[in-house]
Amino acid sequence: TQLLEQSPQFLSIQEGENLTVYCNSSSVFSSLQWYRQEPGEGPVLLVTVVTGGEVKKLKRLTFQFGDARKDSSLHITAAQPGDTGLYLCAGVHSYNTDKLIFGTGTRLQVFP
Amino acid sequence: GAVVSQHPSRVICKSGTSVKIECRSLDFQATTMFWYRQFPKQSLMLMATSNEGSKATYEQGVEKDKFLINHASLTLSTLTVTSAHPEDSSFYICSATSRNNEQFFGPGTRLTVL
Repeated sequence: TQLLEQSPQFLSIQEGENLTVYCNSSSVFSSLQWYRQEPGEGPVLLVTVVTGGEVKKLKRLTFQFGDARKDSSLHITAAQPGDTGLYLCAGVHSYNTDKLIFGTGTRLQVFP
Repeated sequence: GAVVSQHPSRVICKSGTSVKIECRSLDFQATTMFWYRQFPKQSLMLMATSNEGSKATYEQGVEKDKFLINHASLTLSTLTVTSAHPEDSSFYICSATSRNNEQFFGPGTRLTVL
């Protein structure tokens, strides 16, 4: 059972466009992380959000954790070709703090 | 940041052979390491939790006798795929947990079973 659903699965956009990736679950998470993964490499942590309603910004990336800590979003402003990659959300359940459950993934392609 | 290495980065083997993959935390000690499998164009699926000095905890549907995990020290966990078959071909990724419970991922090992 995939506990974290991401949408969209695939996204192809032109450089300069904005986009939002969603990560949804029916379960509550004590924290949620966003990763970016490039082909043939391990995922790289972008951000961790822990408080319901929290918003974090990382340059052109804005991350939000839902008030109920069941969902999150990643918004990219003025996408660049270097943003191309697989974006993964991953959550730590409140009742089991040692396992990280990954979302289904969103593959982003930004064309110049 | 903390560094996790994996060896080998790529391995090709014949069906029926066993393959060992190493995961090392290079500059920190990790009492817990995790092993994930990732099929092409899919997300990471947790296979097992590797605990230093004790038996690994496997996720539902993962055969413990096929995927042997040994976490003999605070910096090394190994995953052995026994009697590998073509369907075991995948990208295997480990992660190690630091003292503040942050997970750092290795670069992955691509296994191809012929």
